[in-house]
Amino acid sequence: AQSVTQPDIHITVSEGASLELRCNYSYGATPYLFWYVQSPGQGLQLLLKYFSGDTLVQGIKGFEAEFKRSQSSFNLRKPSVHWSDAAEYFCAVAPKQNNRKLIWGLGTSLAVNP
Amino acid sequence: NAGVTQTPKFQVLKTGQSMTLQCAQDMNHEYMSWYRQDPGMGLRLIHYSVGAGITDQGEVPNGYNVSRSTTEDFPLRLLSAAPSQTSVYFCASSYMPGANVLTFGAGSRLTVL
Repeated sequence: AQSVTQPDIHITVSEGASLELRCNYSYGATPYLFWYVQSPGQGLQLLLKYFSGDTLVQGIKGFEAEFKRSQSSFNLRKPSVHWSDAAEYFCAVAPKQNNRKLIWGLGTSLAVNP
Repeated sequence: NAGVTQTPKFQVLKTGQSMTLQCAQDMNHEYMSWYRQDPGMGLRLIHYSVGAGITDQGEVPNGYNVSRSTTEDFPLRLLSAAPSQTSVYFCASSYMPGANVLTFGAGSRLTVL
């Protein structure tokens, strides 16, 4: 069955430290890949997406993600975390042939220590 | 642009009551959808629509009805509320034919007593 796994339920980092949030998917072919962020009490916002081409994609707020086909992964990174990055992060995939429904991970909650 | 507007932001219902969560978008998006978000369960798709007059079920459609009479509006109806429907509900729309790049509303928090 198609699935998205975010192994880390909760992560705490210090402000200024680097960040990597993991995302693995299970799907036969390479899907479309997404990261969304949800700040407390807010809706979700698209951080970045991968459709094809360069496997390193840049997003908003200084985030980037790298698609690794061999590992079925799409990990999110940021070189220096700011306190305002504290939020819930969701990885999602959409099959290219039937993209009407996104498949979501359960999310990773990020806390940032001052 | 207002984006995706959801009303109300908060609602308390008694078991058995009915209500409608409103969702409107001003971006001329063809695709619209409703999700519910519960702790530890992530986002679950309730219903979606790929255009006016076309709706389809997601993974948790029971207890909810939708209609899409215009491109702009996609209301979610709870016909007989149950405590299990206590949740935060999000409406989302997309400019692409599928569900690829979603713009979300701010959410509606529903409590059913």
